[in-house]
Amino acid sequence: DAKTTQPPSMDCAEGRAANLPCNHSTISGNEYVYWYRQIHSQGPQYIIHGLKNNETNEMASLIITEDRKSSTLILPHATLRDTAVYYCIVRVGTGTASKLTFGTGTRLQVTL
Amino acid sequence: NAGVTQTPKFQVLKTGQSMTLQCAQDMNHNSMYWYRQDPGMGLRLIYYSASEGTTDKGEVPNGYNVSRLNKREFSLRLESAAPSQTSVYFCASSGGGTSTGTEAFFGQGTRLTVV
Repeated sequence: DAKTTQPPSMDCAEGRAANLPCNHSTISGNEYVYWYRQIHSQGPQYIIHGLKNNETNEMASLIITEDRKSSTLILPHATLRDTAVYYCIVRVGTGTASKLTFGTGTRLQVTL
Repeated sequence: NAGVTQTPKFQVLKTGQSMTLQCAQDMNHNSMYWYRQDPGMGLRLIYYSASEGTTDKGEVPNGYNVSRLNKREFSLRLESAAPSQTSVYFCASSGGGTSTGTEAFFGQGTRLTVV
C-alpha cells in the first residue's frame, strides 16, 4: 500500500494561500490521491481528490506532479475556519473494497 | 438528507461490558467503514464492508465484531470492553463501485470511554 508523508504542522496568515505538501513516492498507477480535513474532533471532511491531472473545486486546488510522487493542496485564501488537521491519503484497493488509510496529517494553524 | 448518522454520541462503559455502536447512511452507498481515533493520532480502520452481506478486517480488528444489517446500516460491537478501546469511533460510507474515485462521508463520531 502506498504511504504518504506530510509535515506535522504549518502556519498560514489569514487571507494568504496555504500550500500543504504531501509525498507519496510509492503510489501505483491506479491509485488516487485524496485530501480530507478534520476540524477539532469532528468527522473528517472530504476536500478534493485526483489521479494525475490538477483538480480544482470550490474549496481547494490539488496539484499533482507529473511523476505522481508528490502533490500539494492549495487553499487559495485561508481563513481562521480552515484551521484543522489535513490528511493526504492514497486510496488503496480497487472496486468497492477501496479503503482510506489515514496517516497523522498536517496541523494547519491559520492566524490573524 | 442526514448523511451518516452515528448513535450514541457519547458512552461510558465499565470494563467487561458489551455494547453496539450504530451507524446508518441515507446516500445509498455500497461501502461502509468503522474507524477509531485515539488522542493525537490519525484514524485507523477497524472493519469495512464493501457491499451488503460482506465484511472484512481492517488494520485493528481485534476485540470488535461488525454486522452489515442491510445496505443502510453497519454496526460495530464490543463484546467485552477494555480500557484500551477508549477512543472516538467514526463510521463512514462511500459509493464504491468500479471506480476508486469516490469520496467517503463520515459521521460525527461516538466518544467511548471504558473505565
